[in-house]
Order: sequence, then structure tokens, then C-alpha cells
Amino acid sequence: SYDLTQPPSLSVSPGQTASITCSGDKLGNKYASWYQQKAGQSPVLLIYDDTKRPSGIPERFSGSNSGNTATLTISGTQPMDEADYYCQTWDSRVVFGGGTKLTVL
Amino acid sequence: QVQLQESGPGLVKPSQTLSLTCTVSGGSLYSGGYYWSWIRHHPGKGLEWIGYIYPSGSTYYSPSLKSRVTISVDTSKNEFSLKLNSVTAADTAVYYCARETMEAGKSYFDYWGQGTLVTVSS
Repeated sequence: SYDLTQPPSLSVSPGQTASITCSGDKLGNKYASWYQQKAGQSPVLLIYDDTKRPSGIPERFSGSNSGNTATLTISGTQPMDEADYYCQTWDSRVVFGGGTKLTVL
Repeated sequence: QVQLQESGPGLVKPSQTLSLTCTVSGGSLYSGGYYWSWIRHHPGKGLEWIGYIYPSGSTYYSPSLKSRVTISVDTSKNEFSLKLNSVTAADTAVYYCARETMEAGKSYFDYWGQGTLVTVSS
């Protein structure tokens, strides 16, 4: 079965850039999406089709996907960005990464 | 603005059937060619896709849950439902319904319900 691997955790200081990776076999040949989930809330779509942002998502969130790795980049990270982040793709079924807990301190 | 709302029992006994319904408002299940999915989130773990249904009634389930899952749709009520049988404590999770766009290899979930916690316990 197809797996997506994310680092379990990442810490950044406010104002810095956070890069969250998602690795999978030839992931660059598929489409990746990213979700933010804050404690006690439903996931929110941040990025779809590798690089597109839904309406209402701040420009500081961006995505890329090449080779075996998709990356979610948060520029100028804010304390409100502290959350769990999940990547997702399709490989004969929906596949989610294990999630990355982003701490902003 | 599309809204999804899950409903159903919050407590299910082991070996019984978990039943949840997702009511969609602000749009028709039939419009836009979307797929309608169930996803769960185990406490302290990641997201797990359960399966989807297309308004025509066609379904597709996660291979790991396929033998226990049934997703159905009631277009007259603009809702779709999940049944998971023979539940165990491992099925304790927050269950979400979500709208999925799926085309040409692309897949993403743009609208989610608020989620409902289902606990499996005697």
C-alpha cells in the first residue's frame, strides 16, 4: 500500500519560515493537498493540486511537489499557525500522511 | 456556503453497528459532481479515510475497512450515511463527513463537518 511520511513535529519561532515535508514514492507524479487541524476543530483545506490555495487561505501558505516530496511552506509563521498539518494524495484510495505538529514559540 | 453536519449515537457497544448520518445544507448532493466521504480521526493519531459515495450510489471503500463498511445516500433528504459493523474499541474516533473533489488523479476535501466522537465501550 502507498504511504506518506511526515515528520511528527516541527518547532519554529514567530516570523520564521516553516517547511513541512511529506514523502512518498514518486509523489511528484501525483497531486498533493494539505490540511490544517487546530485542537478540537475540523481540518481545513490549505493547499490543493500541489500549489493552489482555496479562497480565504492567507498567501503565507504555499505548496510544492517534486520528486518524492511535497512541501508545505508557511512564511512569516504566526502563533495562530500552531496546529497539526496533514498531507494527502490519491493512490487507488485516499492516503493521508501521519501528520506534523507545528509548535510556534 | 455548503455545510455538513454529522449525527448519530456517541456510544456504541462492542460487536454492534456504528451508524452515522451526514446532512448537507447550502447545496445539493447532486450538484457539482462531488464525492461524499467519511473520514475518522483516532485520538492522538492521524486521519483515516473510510470511503466515499457518489450521488448516483456508486461507492468506494478503504481496503482496510471494506468488509465492515456500508455508505449509502438519501438524495431526497440531501444526506448520506455510514454503517460500520462489528465495532471494537479500535473504532473509537472522531468521525467526519466531508465533500471530496476527485478528478483526473486529483483528490481533496474542501468542506468538512464538525465531527462527532463515537466511543466503543460496553
